[in-house]
Amino acid sequence: DAGVIQSPRHEVTEMGQEVTLRCKPISGHDYLFWYRQTMMRGLELLIYFNNNVPIDDSGMPEDRFSAKMPNASFSTLKIQPSEPRDSAVYFCASSTRTVEQFFGPGTRLTVL
Amino acid sequence: AQSVTQLDSQVPVFEEAPVELRCNYSSSVSVYLFWYVQYPNQGLQLLLKYLSGSTLVKGINGFEAEFNKSQTSFHLRKPSVHISDTAEYFCAVTPRGASGTYKYIFGTGTRLKVLA
Repeated sequence: DAGVIQSPRHEVTEMGQEVTLRCKPISGHDYLFWYRQTMMRGLELLIYFNNNVPIDDSGMPEDRFSAKMPNASFSTLKIQPSEPRDSAVYFCASSTRTVEQFFGPGTRLTVL
Repeated sequence: AQSVTQLDSQVPVFEEAPVELRCNYSSSVSVYLFWYVQYPNQGLQLLLKYLSGSTLVKGINGFEAEFNKSQTSFHLRKPSVHISDTAEYFCAVTPRGASGTYKYIFGTGTRLKVLA
């Protein structure tokens, strides 16, 4: 299996632009998680899905952030409009009821 | 609610020396425990996990951890480190059997630097 796939790996954009991060979970996994990692705040869970349904979005920082999972093999995290404080590494992870989460390589977002 | 404390933000150690990275947690319910490693510019990779059974858990790359319920700790150890072990290590917990909501709580991480 290819593991969790994220794209793009790096994204540089200007303040105010829309940013879309993409994730393909491991086939057969029914949980999908979006995390943000920064030096100041460490690893934060933003939202997670079970069977494509958002279960807990309490970590989403503001209405500028939205996430979707239209099918079992694809999810997006969108920031609109982006701000410099959104600069971070965004990770996607997937799991089954075996509890262990498998992480993707991350997307490094820089908002200028 | 759960919380995880990794007291050491950085741990320098010489090559071939032993190392212990400390993790303490707080929870009103039973938990599953994990250690993940993050190499530079990469995602997190599972080192080991404690779900049940023996409190001494062995993982990949020669690492092991011991679950101590009375101390609410899950310290990570390696008897002899290599330069390649230089990375950031994260401890995480999730409530046991919480209706399938396997939501991790991560510690702030410990940066292990192995010196030649």
